Amino acid sequence: EPEVTQTPSHQVTQMGQEVILRCVPISNHLYFYWYRQILGQKVEFLVSFYNNEISEKSEIFDDQFSVERPDGSNFTLKIRSTKLEDSAMYFCASSGDRRIGVYGYTFGSGTRLTVV
Amino acid sequence: KNEVEQSPQNLTAQEGEFITINCSYSVGISALHWLQQHPGGGIVSLFMLSSGKKKHGRLIATINIQEKHSSLHITASHPRDSAVYICAREATGNQFYFGTGTSLTVIP
Repeated sequence: EPEVTQTPSHQVTQMGQEVILRCVPISNHLYFYWYRQILGQKVEFLVSFYNNEISEKSEIFDDQFSVERPDGSNFTLKIRSTKLEDSAMYFCASSGDRRIGVYGYTFGSGTRLTVV
Repeated sequence: KNEVEQSPQNLTAQEGEFITINCSYSVGISALHWLQQHPGGGIVSLFMLSSGKKKHGRLIATINIQEKHSSLHITASHPRDSAVYICAREATGNQFYFGTGTSLTVIP
């Protein structure tokens, strides 16, 4: 079964450093998402991406965050200057275009980011 | 508002029991999803609902659009069903807004 692949599975970084979280969505999916889950809390929507641009973003997704699809397969989340409160599990997800019969909404296994 | 409310927050059941988890939401949806999250963190999609009822094995999910309410049922529960079950509202932009989850423990 097709998977959404996230790397790395765990990243430790110093406060103030930039981090890039990487995702390879499912190949025939057109919609891409990033979510985060702070330990003990619910999963929160960060941003959605379609047709090479951001389609929706939450209040959490401020100027320190950016997303990019640098090539035909990768989808990245960059945190420019990490803060302690950015420590969380970050999930990438992708979904198909149901209008053309591509169903499925699949989550990656997550990247646990620890900011020290 | 994007609130999705779930109850109960925690649930302990004996193996074989019938389990119900409830979800309510306050705004319109394009679909309602039930997901499962295991201790390692991975999230697995169980159901996508826009109306009525769906069944997969021992899992049944129902939705009442007028009442903005959905339920997930597990029949003949088993210890391997122990996980966090999450209800999520899909908005028109396809993004999910998650409930806080129900932590289920099934005791042998």
